[in-house]
Parts: sequence; structure tokens; C-alpha cells
Amino acid sequence: DTAVSQTPKYLVTQMGNDKSIKCEQNLGHDTMYWYKQDSKKFLKIMFSYNNKELIINETVPNRFSPKSPDKAHLNLHINSLELGDSAVYFCASSQEGAWQFFGPGTRLTVL
Amino acid sequence: AQSVTQLGSHVSVSEGALVLLRCNYSSSVPPYLFWYVQYPNQGLQLLLKYTSAATLVKGINGFEAEFKKSETSFHLTKPSAHMSDAAEYFCAVRVGGFKTIFGAGTRLFVKA
Repeated sequence: DTAVSQTPKYLVTQMGNDKSIKCEQNLGHDTMYWYKQDSKKFLKIMFSYNNKELIINETVPNRFSPKSPDKAHLNLHINSLELGDSAVYFCASSQEGAWQFFGPGTRLTVL
Repeated sequence: AQSVTQLGSHVSVSEGALVLLRCNYSSSVPPYLFWYVQYPNQGLQLLLKYTSAATLVKGINGFEAEFKKSETSFHLTKPSAHMSDAAEYFCAVRVGGFKTIFGAGTRLFVKA
């Protein structure tokens, strides 16, 4: 049974489009995260929600908007996609900021 | 500022040889330290964690790490490398609250 799942796994789209990535965790954790991993494997925190409340909001363009409808879900919506948004996006969850369980990633390619 | 430095973006060892991946951190609070492994086209998974109990921490797949406060280090070791250990390894430090900072990663190559 998958602990942290993301959809879609691959996303190929044109510049200027709007897209969403969904994440769900079935671990009962209270905290969820979005990370961006670039082509050099560098992992950067973007957002974090604790009990549906935004607690980490790093320097990310406001084209990126997270939404947490409940503790088990954290979605990422991206408006007006740019070439530089191409990356692998990882969702993760944890209990009270402890070690994190990561999803399989969503590889976004912007053409 | 809090940070994590992994020395060596690539490490290559022969199968059966010692694996040593280096990590140094800086933290203004007692650190919670982690090592994660990422296999190709997968997410990260926790290898081991230090949470202020024993300084020598054992993890999965025969890996262990030693917390040395005086050296601000948390190096990862494995006595005998296996081909299946080839992956990207990330050291990470929890810097307070819910934020964790990850190092730049070290790619481990294992030669037959």
C-alpha cells in the first residue's frame, strides 16, 4: 500500500499552460511538503503545511500555489509555466516535522 | 546560517570496499540529522537518523553514521559496498520547527 502517492508521474506541457500535481498520504501524518529537485539533484523546499495550515513558504514565484484540502492531501498548482519550471517535484509527509516519507516524484517537462 | 555540506559530489568504490560519504553541518540548535538514499527515478527514503540518543546510529542495508559534535560531522559508512548501493545519498539537518535542509547529494558508484 503506497504511503505517499503523486499524480501524474510524468507531465509534459507547453510554456504558458497551467497544470496541477496531486499528492496524497495514507500515513496519518500532520505535515506535508513540496520540494523541487533540479537537474543537478539539488533538493529545495517550496512549501509545507501542518494540519492544513501553511507554515513554510520559501522564495517561490507566486505562479506556484499549494492547496491542502485536508491533512492527507497537498496539491500544487502552477500557472503560466516557464522553461525553468522543468524539474522533478516531490511531495513528502512527516509527523510533527520528524523524518520525512517521500513520494515517487512528478517529472515536469516544459517545452 | 544553518547549512549542510557534503564533501564530494561523486564517490566511486569497488564492490566489497569500504563506503565513506562525508557530511558536515552547521546548526544553531541541537541537530536532528538524517541520511536519505535516492535510487534512480525514485523518491528519497530514510537510511538512518540521529535524534540526540546514541552517537553511533545504525540504519538499513548495513549503513551506519557517527555523530561527532566536536567536528560537526555525520559521516555515513558501510564496511562492504554492494552493487545495489549505487545511488544518490543526501545528508540533511532539521533546522527547527518543520524545516529540513538537504545537502547537495553524493552520487555513489560501485565498480564490479
